[in-house]
Amino acid sequence: KQEVTQIPAALSVPEGENLVLNCSFTDSAIYNLQWFRQDPGKGLTSLLLIQSSQREQTSGRLNASLDKSSGRSTLYIAASQPGDSATYLCAANSGGGADGLTFGKGTHLIIQP
Amino acid sequence: GAVVSQHPSWVICKSGTSVKIECRSLDFQATTMFWYRQFPKQSLMLMATSNEGSKATYEQGVEKDKFLINHASLTLSTLTVTSAHPEDSSFYICSARQGGGNYGYTFGSGTRLTVV
Repeated sequence: KQEVTQIPAALSVPEGENLVLNCSFTDSAIYNLQWFRQDPGKGLTSLLLIQSSQREQTSGRLNASLDKSSGRSTLYIAASQPGDSATYLCAANSGGGADGLTFGKGTHLIIQP
Repeated sequence: GAVVSQHPSWVICKSGTSVKIECRSLDFQATTMFWYRQFPKQSLMLMATSNEGSKATYEQGVEKDKFLINHASLTLSTLTVTSAHPEDSSFYICSARQGGGNYGYTFGSGTRLTVV
């Protein structure tokens, strides 16, 4: 059974810093891995989707990497802003179209103005 | 892009009553939708997979008679929490995917259920 772990659980940094959020998964046989953002009391916003054949994906100030062999993914946020404050969730898709996602517990990020 | 609409966004109900939550794919058809539950400060846990035209598949520990799922069309899945109790209070969120294995999942905005 797939298990996803995210480290750290919480992070608080000053505005402008670059930061890295970590995600690890136990079963490397994944179809893809997806990073989401969740604001308090809200749904999920998809940030980046990395296919199993890809090494990284970029969108604006965000860059996500994937290393299937080691079961790791990282989300890099450049030049952080207060608006980046949210919970970031990593989710592994292990079953293609038939299965749902397995989520980590998330990293609660606070960017200090 | 793919949009999933979920309604209602919040609901308060009395203990013992039933509550229905709707999940719609607005601009694509979804033969499969997924229902998750999130308790405070916890991550999302998959409850069940909703299959159009057939029975839902429930995760271990999820009572199928309590959480009734109906997926009667390619754009609508409903989750009914029957005989709700305070311990059912949670954040329920659905998701769907626009295409095959290379597509990401799109989530609804979630439903905050409070049972009093």
